[in-house]
Amino acid sequence: GAVVSQHPSRVICKSGTSVKIECRSLDFQATTMFWYRQFPKQSLMLMATSNEGSKATYEQGVEKDKFLINHASLTLSTLTVTSAHPEDSSFYICSASRATNEKLFFGSGTQLSVL
Amino acid sequence: RKEVEQDPGPFNVPEGATVAFNCTYSNSASQSFFWYRQDCRKEPKLLMSVYSSGNEDGRFTAQLNRASQYISLLIRDSKLSDSATYLCVVSGAGSYQLTFGKGTKLSVIP
Repeated sequence: GAVVSQHPSRVICKSGTSVKIECRSLDFQATTMFWYRQFPKQSLMLMATSNEGSKATYEQGVEKDKFLINHASLTLSTLTVTSAHPEDSSFYICSASRATNEKLFFGSGTQLSVL
Repeated sequence: RKEVEQDPGPFNVPEGATVAFNCTYSNSASQSFFWYRQDCRKEPKLLMSVYSSGNEDGRFTAQLNRASQYISLLIRDSKLSDSATYLCVVSGAGSYQLTFGKGTKLSVIP
C-alpha cells in the first residue's frame, strides 16, 4: 500500500533555531499534502495544505512566515518551523492521498521539543 | 456548531464488552467518512471507511446516517489492544481535506 515517510521522528532544538521536517510519498505522486499539529490530549489540527508547484494554503491563525512550506516535487513537501519557540513544541504530522476523497496516509509524525 | 463532534470519553470498558462511539458532522455536503485509530504519540491509522449501507470488518461495524449527519462505530468483544483514541473524520465534496473530530479515548480494562 501507499506509504508516506516523515523525517525526523524527533527533534530537540534551542529556542530561536529553525527546524525542517520532510514528508515524502514513497510510491505515489501527491499533488497535495497536508500538515497537521497536535498538542497533548488534543485533536489533530490542520495547519496548511501544501500544493505542488504553488503556494501553500494556511488555516486561519497559522502564521505562514513562521511555518514555511515547500512542495517542490510531486513526492516531497517540507515544513520549516522558523525561529522556533517553546510554544511551538508539538507533534507535527503530514499526510497525503492518492486522489480526492480517498483515504489519507500519514507520516509517522515528528515530535518537536523547543528548549 | 463544531464541524465534527465526538464524545471525548474516556470510555473505560472491560475486556469482552461491546462499545459504541458516535460522531456528528455539520456540513451536509460532506462526501467521505472514516474512522481512524490513533495510539498515543503515533500517527492516525485508518480503521475503516464508512458507507451509507453500513460496513463491517471483523469486530468493528460502522454506520452512516446522512439524514441525521451521524456516524457510529461499534466494537464488539473488546480487546486490550483496542485501547486507543478513535477519530471520526469527514471530507468535503471534491476535496482532499479531512476534518478530524477530537477523538474518543477508549481504555479496555483486563
